[in-house]
Amino acid sequence: GDSVTQMEGPVTLSEEAFLTINCTYTATGYPSLFWYVQYPGEGLQLLLKATKADDKGSNKGFEATYRKETTSFHLEKGSVQVSDSAVYFCALSDLARGGSYIPTFGRGTSLIVHP
Amino acid sequence: NAGVTQTPKFRVLKTGQSMTLLCAQDMNHEYMYWYRQDPGMGLRLIHYSVGEGTTAKGEVPDGYNVSRLKKQNFLLGLESAAPSQTSVYFCASTGLAGGYSTGELFFGEGSRLTVL
Repeated sequence: GDSVTQMEGPVTLSEEAFLTINCTYTATGYPSLFWYVQYPGEGLQLLLKATKADDKGSNKGFEATYRKETTSFHLEKGSVQVSDSAVYFCALSDLARGGSYIPTFGRGTSLIVHP
Repeated sequence: NAGVTQTPKFRVLKTGQSMTLLCAQDMNHEYMYWYRQDPGMGLRLIHYSVGEGTTAKGEVPDGYNVSRLKKQNFLLGLESAAPSQTSVYFCASTGLAGGYSTGELFFGEGSRLTVL
């Protein structure tokens, strides 16, 4: 079945540091890839997405490129802020057996940014 | 815009009690999902629905039942609560465009359940 693996956290950075959170996936089909963010006490919300190989998703200074050859979708940001402290989830969505869309999530990576 | 609304947001139960979590979405989405979130485990799919009147099991369905009598509502029931069901529960939905899913999920704010 499909699976998503992302780096263990927590990731602790100082403000303005460069961020990378690694994400790799396995899928039988050709999935769409997503990054979701969860702020404390809230539900998940979409951060960015990519639907085909070499697509780059971007939002709020975050970027991720769909790399089919390495089955990866790493999240990056050039200069993090304290307000970026949250849990980040990598996910894929693909047609499962029977024609249903079953999203698959990674375990989440906690990011802590210090002033 | 309300989006996805979950009720209740907090609940404390005693072992063996029953309860129902309600999820309502106002986006006319076909797909709805129930997840549970536990520390270190990420999100695990409990049950899902691909349309009104349909439900299917996810990764961790035992101890839960669901119903989708109306397109906008997806109910998650615990018939006999156990301490292992202490968790934060999230409902999510997604729609179809041209017969295909965008894949983007819209989440509720979560329901924190404690079973003593």
